[in-house]
Amino acid sequence: EAGVTQFPSHSVIEKGQTVTLRCDPISGHDNLYWYRRVMGKEIKFLLHFVKESKQDESGMPNNRFLAERTGGTYSTLKVQPAELEDSGVYFCASSVISPGTLSYNEQFFGPGTRLTVL
Amino acid sequence: AQSVTQPDIHITVSEGASLELRCNYSYGATPYLFWYVQSPGQGLQLLLKYFSGDTLVQGIKGFEAEFKRSQSSFNLRKPSVHWSDAAEYFCAVGGGSNYKLTFGKGTLLTVNP
Repeated sequence: EAGVTQFPSHSVIEKGQTVTLRCDPISGHDNLYWYRRVMGKEIKFLLHFVKESKQDESGMPNNRFLAERTGGTYSTLKVQPAELEDSGVYFCASSVISPGTLSYNEQFFGPGTRLTVL
Repeated sequence: AQSVTQPDIHITVSEGASLELRCNYSYGATPYLFWYVQSPGQGLQLLLKYFSGDTLVQGIKGFEAEFKRSQSSFNLRKPSVHWSDAAEYFCAVGGGSNYKLTFGKGTLLTVNP
């Protein structure tokens, strides 16, 4: 079974440009999460989708970031316009949903996209 | 607000030596606790987790961790480190309605031959 995949693995852009990151979760995983690690800092939560709906976007830094998950499959995270402080590694994770229970389901992480804004 | 502290940024051990990575957390309720490992070029891989019950949990690759509520700690241990254990280790706490994870800053482990 394929794991969580992310594209591209690396992206180098100029300040002010636009970049779109893509995440393909494990098939059948309705939960999809985006996290970010800025160099030297901890990995921080950005947002959470259940299928195509945004459940929690409390971690999104500002309105330059737009996440979508059309059709409830893959997700994109667009940064427009990119700033220097957006540099970091962006991780995507997915998990199943267990309806009717309070069980926690493991989040499976992708390898991340390393974004460098010059 | 929940938080995780990993006080050691970088640890170096010799192959075959024992290992303990420290993790302290702050969380208002009973936490779900995790240790993840990231090897170069790889995603985060779950080593082990604690939800409830036995406070000593076993994970993959010979790792174990002990939950100590009185100390708000969840330290990771391994009796004998292998060169392939060199990686970055993250402690995390999860919870709430969407189970989002809050991570520590990570501990980079170097293993000397």
